[in-house]
Amino acid sequence: EIVMTQSPATLSVSPGERATLSCRASQSASINLAWYQQKPGQAPRLLIYGASTRAAGIPGRFSGSGSVTEFTLTISSLQSEDFALYYCQQYNDWPLTFGGGTKVEIK
Amino acid sequence: QVQLQESGPGLVKPSETLSLTCTVSGGSISTYFWSWIRQPPGEGPEWIGYGYYSGSNIYNPSLRSRVTISVDTSKNQFSLKLTSVTAADTAVYYCARLVRGQGMDYWGQGTLVTVSP
Repeated sequence: EIVMTQSPATLSVSPGERATLSCRASQSASINLAWYQQKPGQAPRLLIYGASTRAAGIPGRFSGSGSVTEFTLTISSLQSEDFALYYCQQYNDWPLTFGGGTKVEIK
Repeated sequence: QVQLQESGPGLVKPSETLSLTCTVSGGSISTYFWSWIRQPPGEGPEWIGYGYYSGSNIYNPSLRSRVTISVDTSKNQFSLKLTSVTAADTAVYYCARLVRGQGMDYWGQGTLVTVSP
């Protein structure tokens, strides 16, 4: 299976600053990569699919990039509601696999 | 607006079978793929598998021997059965719509299932 590794585990950022989250695949995921946001007690929410396409209703401050084995999620100017857990997930091969997550916390 | 809602027992005894149902509203279940995902407390999500209205399935190899996902088009529901559960199966279980090429775009709110005597 494709193992997804996210870094850092925790990212401390001040409101209004940029956050950059990384995700690495153990083998090629092509651009079949999604990013999810999860808040406590809630289900994950799809942010990005196809490595760089925003899902419906997702604000423009969220952007994704990368391909093959290296991917990045950027939040251009953190808002209070963006402090949460973020997971990457590949759907290039079965089984679908998630990364271990990056927690974005207030600095 | 598509909505998903999980239902089923919140407590299952070791060695028994965990059974959950996901009811889909706001859209037909006869398209897309319908997935189950679980998340142990404090851990990341784990994809369990998907079912399709035609009867086809793909399961995570780590659970394949114990999992069955089925789709009931007459009720617009799909279900999960996980046999021979242990404490390691304690998790929040989510159902979700899986779109080919897009990931999982609609999720249920999740239901906590605890495996305990």
